[in-house]
This record gives sequence, structure tokens and C-alpha cells, in this order.
Amino acid sequence: KAGVTQTPRYLIKTRGQQVTLSCSPISGHRSVSWYQQTPGQGLQFLFEYFSETQRNKGNFPGRFSGRQFSNSRSEMNVSTLELGDSALYLCASSWETQANTGELFFGEGSRLTVL
Amino acid sequence: GQQVMQIPQYQHVQEGEDFTTYCNSSTTLSNIQWYKQRPGGHPVFLIQLVKSGEVKKQKRLTFQFGEAKKNSSLHITATQTTDVGTYFCAATNAGGTSYGKLTFGQGTILTVHP
Repeated sequence: KAGVTQTPRYLIKTRGQQVTLSCSPISGHRSVSWYQQTPGQGLQFLFEYFSETQRNKGNFPGRFSGRQFSNSRSEMNVSTLELGDSALYLCASSWETQANTGELFFGEGSRLTVL
Repeated sequence: GQQVMQIPQYQHVQEGEDFTTYCNSSTTLSNIQWYKQRPGGHPVFLIQLVKSGEVKKQKRLTFQFGEAKKNSSLHITATQTTDVGTYFCAATNAGGTSYGKLTFGQGTILTVHP
């Protein structure tokens, strides 16, 4: 069974640009969450989608957005990139249909460098 | 917002020594999960604890959830070089809906010297 797939794995952008990251969850998983991982702030929750609806959102500025498609694949977008957006962006999927978060299956991440 | 404090930040041990990492929250938790991230890798789920005072074991790993559901620990007996990595606790608050949101501790980076 294939795991969570994230593309691209690595990318370099310059300040002011925008970026779109893609995530394909494990087959059958309908919940997709996104996390940002940096050495300074650790793992921080961005947002979660279930059945194309955003159910939860972390404390990130509006430059960070996401969406989910009918096949559960998800994308996140960061506009007007800043140097501080350099991070590993992790997507996680789960069977989650209930309110409380269970086991998350993480992808290998997309490492974004902003110059 | 919710914070989960994890200590120590770093731990260096000789192979065969034991290792423990601790997580503490000022608020009551609904559940706590533990993840391991190998260098250059992604977090991998280890276990979830839900009940007050719960203790679970996986081979050399022992996980505990405090009676008040505000703290947790992970203990590794007789570490091996394959245990190298960062261990994270991750929690959800009691009484609310989390929908994919886990609050992660800062992680403990474990180095094992052969």
C-alpha cells in the first residue's frame, strides 16, 4: 500500500514568489493535515481538510492556504514568500472521521528554501 | 494556545544505556501520541495513549500517561544505534475537537554512541 506522497520534494524560491505543494494521501484516507517544521519553531499545524472542507486551521497568516479535491488529494499554497517560510512542509493523512485526532501518517515532506 | 513542553532537548547515551524523554502540559489532554523522526526523515507514529495512568510497552519502549493526563514519558531500555532520531510527543486538548491538529513538543534528539 502506497504511503503519503508529496511533491515536489525540494524547491527553491525567491522572496515574493508563490509556491504550491501537493499531497496524495494513503488510499482511503479522507483527512489531510499540513504541518510546517522548522528548527526554531518545531512542528506547527497549518490546517486540516476532510471531504474538501477545511475543518481546522492553525495560527498562520492568510498567505498560507490550502484545498482538497474530491479524490482527497490536497494542495497548499504560500503566496508572497518570505525568508521565514523556509521549512519542511509535511502532509499527513488519516482515517479520521471523528473529532479527535488519531494516528497521522506523514509524507516525506517538501523542503522549501526561500532566498 | 496549548503548549507541550518536552525535555530534555538533547540526550547522548552509550549503546546499552537507558533513555527517557518527558512531556508536560499545563492543561488536561485528551490523548497523547509519540512519534519518531529519523535524521532526514519524516515523523512516524509510535503509539497513542488515551486513558489516565495508561502504560503501554513495545519491545524495549515503555510509554506512560500521567494520572492527571497532563504528562507523559517514553522510556527506552538498553538503547541501540537504531534508536537514533528525534522523539516527539504530540497532544490534543481535552474537551474540544482537534480535527487533525496535534500540538507537538519540541522533541528530544537522541544520539547513541556505539
